[in-house]
Amino acid sequence: GIQVEQSPPDLILQEGANSTLRCNFSDSVNNLQWFHQNPWGQLINLFYIPSGTKQNGRLSATTVATERYSLLYISSSQTTDSGVYFCAVGSSNFGNEKLTFGTGTRLTIIP
Amino acid sequence: DAGVTQSPTHLIKTRGQHVTLRCSPISGHKSVSWYQQVLGQGPQFIFQYYEKEERGRGNFPDRFSARQFPNYSSELNVNALLLGDSALYLCASSLEGRQLAYEQYFGPGTRLTVT
Repeated sequence: GIQVEQSPPDLILQEGANSTLRCNFSDSVNNLQWFHQNPWGQLINLFYIPSGTKQNGRLSATTVATERYSLLYISSSQTTDSGVYFCAVGSSNFGNEKLTFGTGTRLTIIP
Repeated sequence: DAGVTQSPTHLIKTRGQHVTLRCSPISGHKSVSWYQQVLGQGPQFIFQYYEKEERGRGNFPDRFSARQFPNYSSELNVNALLLGDSALYLCASSLEGRQLAYEQYFGPGTRLTVT
């Protein structure tokens, strides 16, 4: 199946700092999503971005499908940004029906 | 509009018992998928159903089964529970299934503890 790697595994930042989270995948994809998992386990949709660039407030994401990576940018971090960020991909080569998740990046924002 | 809903929120079962988890998709969504998330890991795909038919199955034993109803809601059943089945079970819905890739939306999950 498709492999998904996220880096860094852990990130600790002061409030107000900027961060970049990376997601590498091993095959062509036609679905790529970024999620934020809150302390209660809820997966919150951040971006649906199989290619291109999107922005939503302090968050933005870029996927370079030809080079098989995606980046999530968080600017001016707030304590509420803390949690685990997951990248998940779907590929027609392995069945669109499932998302394969990376192992996540745990982000901790210190006041 | 209501998002994906799941019930129950928490569940405690004993080894060997069976459990049924329930999921209602977003209105208008016809595809439901189930994922298992063990502590410290990313969610793992279990099943996908579209229009009441199984469209995909992950690497899980036959103790795991699911079905989808005419109103597109879904049940996940797990028989002969093992301690290792303790996890957060997540349901996701999307507009479509296999042929096209659609954004998936997740419910709040059911936290299952097997003792």
